[in-house]
Amino acid sequence: QKEVEQDPGPLSVPEGAIVSLNCTYSNSAFQYFMWYRQYSRKGPELLMYTYSSGNKEDGRFTAQVDKSSKYISLFIRDSQPSDSATYLCAMSAGGAQKLVFGQGTRLTINP
Amino acid sequence: SAVISQKPSRDICQRGTSLTIQCQVDSQVTMMFWYRQQPGQSLTLIATANQGSEATYESGFVIDKFPISRPNLTFSTLTVSNMSPEDSSIYLCSVDRGLAGGDEQFFGPGTRLTVL
Repeated sequence: QKEVEQDPGPLSVPEGAIVSLNCTYSNSAFQYFMWYRQYSRKGPELLMYTYSSGNKEDGRFTAQVDKSSKYISLFIRDSQPSDSATYLCAMSAGGAQKLVFGQGTRLTINP
Repeated sequence: SAVISQKPSRDICQRGTSLTIQCQVDSQVTMMFWYRQQPGQSLTLIATANQGSEATYESGFVIDKFPISRPNLTFSTLTVSNMSPEDSSIYLCSVDRGLAGGDEQFFGPGTRLTVL
């Protein structure tokens, strides 16, 4: 079993829809949770960074962490074609422990 | 966040040769990391490069194949040695937040390597 599981998709939704992306994990030591967006032929770009459980909102993006269920989510409201990319979850236990990445979900927003 | 550049952005190399990839950051950072991303796959950590000490390699990666230098707090190199077609991949460097602390990492644009 992988430490971090993420559905690779592909996921295709119409413009304006609410998108939900999810990851599950098995290591209860993980405390820091990140979402990265990666456009084709580019490096990953940090979208959201959260610590422990709870919600964090930034514009159209909301990150949720449920440590009791070992489950994290990224919601994208009013999705735009420019949101089409691969989204990677990543997490660490902190204290300079390495990041562990999910497989990435390929998302397409159709105009 | 830090501005990170990598050179070269892409290269096509012959089997058996070596390629050195450079990573430059516009601010001092504590940790620099090297990842490999094979087509359609996620990121795999190769090694962590600390200034003034030997790099720390992950399981499955060895110094003879992927020698790393970290001469100062803003620069690192990764060499892919004695290349084979299986080394064809995107190589990414990333950095931590430096003096600001925190666990998040920021990535460079990547080097796309094709080995023939």
